[in-house]
Amino acid sequence: AQKVTQAQTEISVVEKEDVTLDCVYETRDTTYYLFWYKQPPSGELVFLIRRNSFDEQNEISGRYSWNFQKSTSSFNFTITASQVVDSAVYFCALSEPYSGAGSYQLTFGKGTKLSVIP
Amino acid sequence: GAGVSQSPSNKVTEKGKDVELRCDPISGHTALYWYRQRLGQGLEFLIYFQGNSAPDKSGLPSDRFSAERTGESVSTLTIQRTQQEDSAVYLCASSDGGLETQYFGPGTRLLVL
Repeated sequence: AQKVTQAQTEISVVEKEDVTLDCVYETRDTTYYLFWYKQPPSGELVFLIRRNSFDEQNEISGRYSWNFQKSTSSFNFTITASQVVDSAVYFCALSEPYSGAGSYQLTFGKGTKLSVIP
Repeated sequence: GAGVSQSPSNKVTEKGKDVELRCDPISGHTALYWYRQRLGQGLEFLIYFQGNSAPDKSGLPSDRFSAERTGESVSTLTIQRTQQEDSAVYLCASSDGGLETQYFGPGTRLLVL
């Protein structure tokens, strides 16, 4: 079973539309971390946000906002008033540092490719 | 400050040859990770280094893969006897400790013919 599921493989929106990227995760740990990264066409992963499992407060950063709900194991990402520069692949990732393996690797979803059409 | 750097940016090799990929972490970052990204896929963890501790090699797909890191400096990922299925982007990340956010380099695109 996938630990991080991004069910939307590709999304296309017209510029200025709002778009939400879904992320559902699976873990047995009570302490874990969730991340979103952006991968533009250049290929380099850009860190967007990190949340720990004890902080369910929604966060807003400019046009970006994140909705973390432990009850549904979801960590969704919304872009408001999308722009062409938002076109990229977006990855959700999970870190379970206390799972016993002693490693802090990230488990990634398969990504959602967002295309913003002018 | 400088981010994570990787070299080469691109590498084309013939099946059966060995390749070496290099990663320079952010200065002062004690933790270093290697991931592999196959075309259209998410990232797969390969190996993790933390200071002078024994590395976590649990993600290495076969014994043809190995990696080294001396202290908190440069790391090299070596793939011996490359196969076509090794074609992927190899990404390196570093963090200021295991619990901290990982920052990624631009990756090395490996193509095995």
